[in-house]
Formats: sequence, structure tokens, C-alpha cells
Amino acid sequence: QVQLVQSETVVRKPGASVKVSCKTSGYSFTGYYIHWVRQAPGQGLEWMAWFNPDSGRAFYAQGFHGRITMTGDTSITTAYMELSGLTSDDTATYFCARDSGTNSRLDPWGQGTLVTVSS
Amino acid sequence: DVQMTQSPSSLSASVGDRVTITCQASQDIITYLNWYQQKPGKAPKLLISAASNLESGVPPRFSGSGSGTFFTFTINGLQTEDSATYYCQRFDDLPRVTFGGGTKVEIK
Repeated sequence: QVQLVQSETVVRKPGASVKVSCKTSGYSFTGYYIHWVRQAPGQGLEWMAWFNPDSGRAFYAQGFHGRITMTGDTSITTAYMELSGLTSDDTATYFCARDSGTNSRLDPWGQGTLVTVSS
Repeated sequence: DVQMTQSPSSLSASVGDRVTITCQASQDIITYLNWYQQKPGKAPKLLISAASNLESGVPPRFSGSGSGTFFTFTINGLQTEDSATYYCQRFDDLPRVTFGGGTKVEIK
């Protein structure tokens, strides 16, 4: 079945970068966009970006321009989200999700990766 | 950018009740709207797509309606396992995605 498995919880210091991975299986990796969504503790969902594994193209939400980079490795069907210049406001659980290709249905989702930014 | 206003932010209802959540877009989004359920510590789960299409395996007590700028999500016959936070999600052709602020549903 389709699965997205994310990397483990990480702690970073302010100003550092973090790279979260999203290992996919059960479908053609290059056939579907991957979206990244984050959720600060006790807060709602914030959409960050999508990544097209076939073309390598990405589109970022306005608030993340210049700090975020999406990449993918087709040989291991894994997508990556790298966020730089971390502040405490970036403390959140980061989710990847597959775009079904119709109506931007995000399904399924990864289990989430908690990124804590603390000195 | 299109803004999504979801209300209420929280509600409390009894088992068997009918619960309605609304989502209003700042401009016409046709039926480009999905609904998700999120339980604590878990990833969101897609329930309804394109405003009113029930996803496979989702109980029929969940439904959605609306088009243009106003959308509703309804649970007919609330169950204890429906305690969760629900989000609307707008999308466009690019796609750009925006989530509503969420509605926390609690069982009395």
C-alpha cells in the first residue's frame, strides 16, 4: 500500500538548518507531487510547499521563500525538505503528504517529524 | 491570496447530534475544497474532496456541500470517535494550498 515514512525527531539551535526526509513506497514516486505541511504545537495546519519528483520543480508558500529547499532522490523514492535560518517559531511537526493528482487531495500523509528549535 | 475563514473554532456536542462546520473563502474557489480530520498526535486524514465527494471508507455520516465562497461540513449522528479537529483545505490549479484555522469537536 502507499506509505510515506518520515525521519525522526530532531533538535536544532537557532540559526541552524534542518533536513527532513519522506521515504515513499507503494506507488510511482515520479507520478505524484509531494506537499509539506507544518503544525506548531497546539496550532493549525500551515501549508509550506509542493515538490514535483518528476521535474524537480518546487513551489513555495510566500512566507518561506529563500529559506526552504525541496529536493528528491528518485533512486530511493525519497523527498526532502530543508529549512534554514531556524528560529523558535519554526518549532513544529512537519508532515509530508502525497497529492493524489486530482483536486489536490492530500492522501496519505507521513507520520510527522517534530523539529524543536532551542538553544 | 485567498483566505479561508473556518467557524466555529471549537464546539461541544452530544453523541447523536448533528454538527455543522463552515468554511468561507475570500473569493470564488468553485468547489476546490477538501476536508480533513486530525486526531491528537496523528496526521490529518482526508474525508471529503471537491466540496462534497466522500472518500472511500469514510462513514456516510460525514458530508460536505457548498460552492463558490461558502462551504459546510456536517456530521450526522456524532459518534465518540469523531472527537477531533477538522480542517478545510482550499486549492487551485497551480496548486496553491491554504488551510482553514480548524474546528475542534469535543463530545459532551
